[in-house]
Amino acid sequence: EADIYQTPRYLVIGTGKKITLECSQTMGHDKMYWYQQDPGMELHLIHYSYGVNSTEKGDLSSESTVSRIRTEHFPLTLESARPSHTSQYLCASRLGGAETQYFGPGTRLLVL
Amino acid sequence: AQSVTQPDIHITVSEGASLELRCNYSYGATPYLFWYVQSPGQGLQLLLKYFSGDTLVQGIKGFEAEFKRSQSSFNLRKPSVHWSDAAEYFCAVGSNSGYALNFGKGTSLLVTP
Repeated sequence: EADIYQTPRYLVIGTGKKITLECSQTMGHDKMYWYQQDPGMELHLIHYSYGVNSTEKGDLSSESTVSRIRTEHFPLTLESARPSHTSQYLCASRLGGAETQYFGPGTRLLVL
Repeated sequence: AQSVTQPDIHITVSEGASLELRCNYSYGATPYLFWYVQSPGQGLQLLLKYFSGDTLVQGIKGFEAEFKRSQSSFNLRKPSVHWSDAAEYFCAVGSNSGYALNFGKGTSLLVTP
């Protein structure tokens, strides 16, 4: 069982609000990822990190930002939420290049 | 660039029947291949993976998959489906972006009594 956690699980928020989606893992994994998943669609990579103080943008353009100050923590922030940000956000982590990627339970975000 | 195609958006099978979910990939080198399952409102759980070696890999919950390089395929199989197998199934290939994964669009499995 993977030890990767996401909070909140569900969030309904108004347009223009700042939000932070939390992701933590207790496995000591160096690589962490954020994916965005719309209903019935595949997952798209929006951010990733190789380790502390390392962040990169993924294949799908996103207005969100991330930080990696601690190995176990990889929060995602939206400075001003919009309805187009409504989606499910999945956090994942892995230890090395050829290792399994473990996923958190996801955060379902609804922006009104 | 790496890509994954899952040709079947929806599949319906009867409980106890066999199952095969198709996955085709596009990748220049030997790929890392994965199958994940996602239940409603949940994250993704790894069913099995292929990195190298034996082309027939066994996974959890009675699933298996076979890597066929000549067909660029990594199809998922189960000999007898249970009602609890109803879920969304994603095939994925390792990418160059920080070792992230490129996912297919998924196949939704419905199991009928």
